Amino acid sequence: ILNVEQSPQSLHVQEGDSTNFTCSFPSSNFYALHWYRWETAKSPEALFVMTLNGDEKKKGRISATLNTKEGYSYLYIKGSQPEDSATYLCALYSGGGADGLTFGKGTHLIIQP
Amino acid sequence: NAGVTQTPKFRVLKTGQSMTLLCAQDMNHEYMYWYRQDPGMGLRLIHYSVGEGTTAKGEVPDGYNVSRLKKQNFLLGLESAAPSQTSVYFCASSPRDRAYEQYFGPGTRLTVT
Repeated sequence: ILNVEQSPQSLHVQEGDSTNFTCSFPSSNFYALHWYRWETAKSPEALFVMTLNGDEKKKGRISATLNTKEGYSYLYIKGSQPEDSATYLCALYSGGGADGLTFGKGTHLIIQP
Repeated sequence: NAGVTQTPKFRVLKTGQSMTLLCAQDMNHEYMYWYRQDPGMGLRLIHYSVGEGTTAKGEVPDGYNVSRLKKQNFLLGLESAAPSQTSVYFCASSPRDRAYEQYFGPGTRLTVT
């Protein structure tokens, strides 16, 4: 079982501030990295799939970077809004077929008005 | 196009009772998965299937059985429910050539008393 770590575990941010959090993974097992946004009582929603070292992806105010050599990815949120409150999950795909996806425990983000 | 659907959404069982959770997808995906989500544990893979008539164990398979009689359906069974199986259960599906690109259902919240 691979160790995919996310930090911090939870985060309180003032509305309008920018924030970022980390996903760390074993670099030797990398095939793809997936970020999900997960609101309570809803299904996880895909944000980004990243496969190349140095990848940068952007979706509105949310962006992500990837460093496969050192084994980490950052998720950034610019100008946080209350609707950004959610748990953000990263998942490492190490290849090998259907059971190759390992999830981190998530960063629980709360935006305070 | 409904994506991935799950029934029921909520269920309360008594210890020793049995039940079946149903997952259906309309995206013609080859791979399907059952996860459980517990506080502080992230998403853990219970069982998965790479095609009709084929299933395999994931990280936490004990106490569960699965069947995939049709490509679009994946059933998760609890033969004799235990309080330790109180959890939120998520079904997901993915195309065979992009197993990391998983689409999730809305979840089933199960309480075993």
